[in-house]
Amino acid sequence: GQNIDQPTEMTATEGAIVQINCTYQTSGFNGLFWYQQHAGEAPTFLSYNVLDGLEEKGRFSSFLSRSKGYSYLLLKELQMKDSASYLCAVRDRDSNYQLIWGAGTKLIIKP
Amino acid sequence: EAGVAQSPRYKIIEKRQSVAFWCNPISGHATLYWYQQILGQGPKLLIQFQNNGVVDDSQLPKDRFSAERLKGVDSTLKIQPAKLEDSAVYLCASSLARDSTNTGELFFGEGSRLTVL
Repeated sequence: GQNIDQPTEMTATEGAIVQINCTYQTSGFNGLFWYQQHAGEAPTFLSYNVLDGLEEKGRFSSFLSRSKGYSYLLLKELQMKDSASYLCAVRDRDSNYQLIWGAGTKLIIKP
Repeated sequence: EAGVAQSPRYKIIEKRQSVAFWCNPISGHATLYWYQQILGQGPKLLIQFQNNGVVDDSQLPKDRFSAERLKGVDSTLKIQPAKLEDSAVYLCASSLARDSTNTGELFFGEGSRLTVL
């Protein structure tokens, strides 16, 4: 079946680094997305991985290992505004290319 | 470039009443999605349109939910009659078709928060 797992909640300190993991099981992997969602707001696109390796975009990086069904989102130099939920979503070729969503990881940044 | 527009932002109704949500996607985006997001969960796809045709509505509770995109641009989602468990945020998203030049990422509207009492 299809499944996306990510931690429910994480806490980190302002200025530090945090890694949010995502593991997935899908039959027809066709890309992985990370979205950021602030409380009461819509998800906004952060990153996309379809090949193995690291994609870097400013303070945010995303890594993918297709053989392990694993991705992580790395946030550096944490700022208070990074407090949000981070959603991992996998596009599944065998589900009409729909996105299979994780429940999200709520990241709390402390001063 | 204007983003995805949704209305109303908030709606409170009693159970068994009806409600309608409206969405206008980003200009040029052929694909439109309606998602339901319950607090603490990821978005759940209700229906996907490609232009004015339905691509996937397998998770739409068709006994009470309906959606249309008559002219292939804006869309409405209706719930009639509403149940308590329909309390959620209804997100509309749009995207370009995925090809070698783009990821097919989704652009979301701000959502319509429904409370059913």
